[in-house]
Amino acid sequence: QSVLTQPPSASGTPGQWVTISCSGSTSNIGTNDVNWYQHLPGTAPKLLIYRNSHRPSGVPDRVSGSKSGTSASLAISGLQSEDEADYYCAAWDDSLNGPVFGGGTKLTVL
Amino acid sequence: QVQLLQSGAEVKKSGASVKVSCKASGYSFPNSGINWVRQAPGHGLEWMGWISPYNGNTNYAQKVQGRLTMTTDTSTSTAYMELRSLRYDDTAVYYCAKDGPDSSFDYWGQGTLVTVSS
Repeated sequence: QSVLTQPPSASGTPGQWVTISCSGSTSNIGTNDVNWYQHLPGTAPKLLIYRNSHRPSGVPDRVSGSKSGTSASLAISGLQSEDEADYYCAAWDDSLNGPVFGGGTKLTVL
Repeated sequence: QVQLLQSGAEVKKSGASVKVSCKASGYSFPNSGINWVRQAPGHGLEWMGWISPYNGNTNYAQKVQGRLTMTTDTSTSTAYMELRSLRYDDTAVYYCAKDGPDSSFDYWGQGTLVTVSS
């Protein structure tokens, strides 16, 4: 049981816009920033979004993040086959004194 | 460019210990913390702990506290993660990850599969 809650799956067709939600509590998302990672099986996870909505160099601007209250969202527009991966949200948890992850969302491009 | 290169796969007996290494390059090793994150088969990512190569300070997740030791060797820019009293549910891919902005992990190692068998 993960501290942050994500839907187990999401899907879309090429070119579509898809969002992935991440729900937490006042001890994590409610008071700390949210980061998002993309993980393709067998490879190293990749930082996609940090500080709720900032993109590291090299991440395309069709990827965006937002946060409101104790929830956050990742949005991907212009869906491409290469976006098919697992996506994880993460945030520092003040009660646990460490970062916590969501359970991950498997994105399928139909 | 920043790279984190981990040691190879390990197979251990239940009750044994495993030590995984993570050699960093492309940045000033003492200036960024190193985290260890694992993924068990069919499960999501789980943070295990953090170490500062600068002063050796550590922060371990409660779940593995008492069985986990993280160390660094600044002369070789290498971080180590040792997990003792291995259990079957410690079977996982273990990743090292460098501290990034705002509690993020901006660079990750390629992962090390640790299999705990009988």
